[in-house]
Order: sequence, then C-alpha cells, then structure tokens
Amino acid sequence: GAGVSQSPSNKVTEKGKDVELRCDPISGHTALYWYRQSLGQGLEFLIYFQGNSAPDKSGLPSDRFSAERTGGSVSTLTIQRTQQEDSAVYLCASSLRGGEKEKLFFGSGTQLSVL
Amino acid sequence: GENVEQHPSTLSVQEGDSAVIKCTYSDSASNYFPWYKQELGKGPQLIIDIRSNVGEKKDQRIAVTLNKTAKHFSLHITETQPEDSAVYFCAASLNDMRFGAGTRLTVKP
Repeated sequence: GAGVSQSPSNKVTEKGKDVELRCDPISGHTALYWYRQSLGQGLEFLIYFQGNSAPDKSGLPSDRFSAERTGGSVSTLTIQRTQQEDSAVYLCASSLRGGEKEKLFFGSGTQLSVL
Repeated sequence: GENVEQHPSTLSVQEGDSAVIKCTYSDSASNYFPWYKQELGKGPQLIIDIRSNVGEKKDQRIAVTLNKTAKHFSLHITETQPEDSAVYFCAASLNDMRFGAGTRLTVKP
C-alpha cells in the first residue's frame, strides 16, 4: 500500500454538522496538500504542509475550515457547521521536497455531500 | 500567490488528430510545471513535467513546451486515442503547487 490513502471515500452529512476527512500520505513524504474539486471544476488549493514549517493556509475558504498534520504524517481536514456549498471532492496529495521530488501523488479523494 | 490560467476548458478532437492545451502563470519565479491527467473517479496523475531551465520535453506522444519570457506553457498530444479522453490540469510550482482550472479532452473514435 504505497499510495496516498484517503478516508472515508464518501461522506454524506446534514447541513450544520461537522466532518473530518483523513489523509495518509506516502511514507517519507514531507509535503502534504489539500485541494477541493467542485463538480466539473478545477483543483482549488486549500492548505499546504511542508515538514515542520508553519502551514500555508491561504486557500482555506472560511474559518469553518481547518487542518492539522500530526507527527508530520497523517493529516485531518475539518469542516465545521457544513454548508451545502461545501459539497465537493476533497483531494489530498503528498510529495517529497526539492528537484524531482516535487511530483505530487494524489489520493482518490473524499466525496462530501452536504444535504 | 501563483495564479494559473488554462485554456480551453473543453476540447473535442477526432482520433488521430493532435490536441493542444495552453496555460499561463503569473509568478516569474515559478520553476516547475507539471501536467496531470484525471480519469473519472480517480485522483489526478502526473503525465509529464518540465523545469524552468528546459524549453521542451517529449515522452512518446506527449510533449510540453515552456516559454519563460511570456510565462506560457503548453501540452501537446499527438495521434490522440480514445483512452486519452480525460481532464488535464496544468500547474506551476515555486514553494507550493497551484493548478489551472482543467481541460476536458474528448477523443472521438
């Protein structure tokens, strides 16, 4: 199992509930990204973790969104008080850092549906 | 931060024809330009990349060109096949990775 793993693959929730999405990056990858892909749309950057540096949170759309990365490995994206417009596929990617190591490896995503 | 624009948003070609997708980027310091292919229900996968010290790179039927002065880069697919049908994303990277909006390529048999 050398790839990026995301769970759950599908999540249906009611408006106003909180959700947590999990990403297990490839072992040894120091960089981890979260992207959001709305139906038929491009990849919207959300947040970027690189090693022990402070994360780049510039893409988070509101203060309802947060993410953490524990021990430099697993990451959790949390959406509080979900809204219908949060419905999308949330993709996680990881990479090594520098030179050829900048290639991103994506998980299959979590399809979030907010009813 | 970096801003990447991609055109066209949809592209339909006949099998055997060539397809070209173009992107522009805003930050002249960006130094790495990958292209990803996303098939239905899957995450994007890297198909080819180019670094800022190279003007062109080929891998079988796909090629990428980079014009640093104009901040343009393009993906060229020759002899297209139905299995090339997918969504293609360009990206530009300096410290993180920003993607274009994607191009849905349809290759008609």
